[in-house]
Amino acid sequence: DTAVSQTPKYLVTQMGNDKSIKCEQNLGHDTMYWYKQDSKKFLKIMFSYNNKELIINETVPNRFSPKSPDKAHLNLHINSLELGDSAVYFCASSQRLAGAGDIQYFGAGTRLSVL
Amino acid sequence: QKEVEQNSGPLSVPEGAIASLNCTYSDRGSQSFFWYRQYSGKSPELIMSIYSNGDKEDGRFTAQLNKASQYVSLLIRDSQPSDSATYLCAALKENNDMRFGAGTRLTVKP
Repeated sequence: DTAVSQTPKYLVTQMGNDKSIKCEQNLGHDTMYWYKQDSKKFLKIMFSYNNKELIINETVPNRFSPKSPDKAHLNLHINSLELGDSAVYFCASSQRLAGAGDIQYFGAGTRLSVL
Repeated sequence: QKEVEQNSGPLSVPEGAIASLNCTYSDRGSQSFFWYRQYSGKSPELIMSIYSNGDKEDGRFTAQLNKASQYVSLLIRDSQPSDSATYLCAALKENNDMRFGAGTRLTVKP
């Protein structure tokens, strides 16, 4: 079984559309994350949730809205897609909120292409 | 200044050699450090984690941490072509806020 699974794997859409990416983890972790990796391969955190509570909210456009219905799921909804949103989006999860040993496990990524 | 800095490379070493990857971080509050390997088109996978000053060895990999110098390194001994990938250094801040470097691309030539 895949520990952190994201859907879809590929997403091609037109500018101005609204799209969602889903993430689920079966590791029993409390914390989940969304990262964006741009064309230069720089991996940057966007959001993190701990037990459905928003913990980290980096400076991203408010067109991006995360939603966590329960601690095993963290979805990302993007409104009014722009060309610059094209990137690979990774979901990740980890066990604890603070302290050493909080290894993050990544999903396979969703490659978003905005045309 | 980026919070985690790495040489982008590419770093090229012959098969069997030692590959040395370096990383510096700016936030002295960071306590945990990680090296992830990312093959092209794939997700990052954890190679090593290190939390205290000194060396930590795992097979062909050795991570080194020097908190006073805010420096982390990864040595790969007996490099293999299958080690060719991008290596991401990461520093964990409070609230599980992980900051990644831009990655170093390593090529191991047969």
